Amino acid sequence: AQSVTQLDSQVPVFEEAPVELRCNYSSSVSVYLFWYVQYPNQGLQLLLKYLSGSTLVESINGFEAEFNKSQTSFHLRKPSVHISDTAEYFCAVSERNAGNMLTFGGGTRLMVKP
Amino acid sequence: AAGVIQSPRHLIKEKRETATLKCYPIPRHDTVYWYQQGPGQDPQFLISFYEKMQSDKGSIPDRFSAQQFSDYHSELNMSSLELGDSALYFCASSSWTSNNEQFFGPGTRLTVL
Repeated sequence: AQSVTQLDSQVPVFEEAPVELRCNYSSSVSVYLFWYVQYPNQGLQLLLKYLSGSTLVESINGFEAEFNKSQTSFHLRKPSVHISDTAEYFCAVSERNAGNMLTFGGGTRLMVKP
Repeated sequence: AAGVIQSPRHLIKEKRETATLKCYPIPRHDTVYWYQQGPGQDPQFLISFYEKMQSDKGSIPDRFSAQQFSDYHSELNMSSLELGDSALYFCASSSWTSNNEQFFGPGTRLTVL
């Protein structure tokens, strides 16, 4: 069985500052990795995903994440955050060839301050 | 583009009542997943269906049941509701054409009084 750990439950940061949201996973098999964003009172939106190939994946709004197999990590980064990035961010994993159900981390609340 | 539709969006029930949540996947998606997100919690996988057959089962209570119909929509039936069942219930759909990426609906917020 897989598990996901998001070490930071809250990350306060000033606008235009860089940010890193940490995610570590545990699994005995190869995995797919995802970051989802949830704005207040809304559903989950896929931010980016790693399925295979390049270990650095990017989203259209400036976020990127790098899959590090040796450290079993998939940290999310953005060089300069905006107020509108304030939301809950969930890291998730699904095991290859074992169904596609997602196991989520506990979430990190990104709070961008002016 | 069409998205996953969930109904109702909000539902208020009393303890020991029953509730039915509905999910309409994206057209041509053959797989449906149900997740439960308690207040301040991360989403927990409940159950999934592929081609109308149950494919995986997670932490779904015995009081809950679900099925996927011939038109691929799914219903989550919840009986003997408890206060702890108050949560956001998300449905997601996927298909091999979406590279098995799961697309989430807006959720149904269930409040049990």
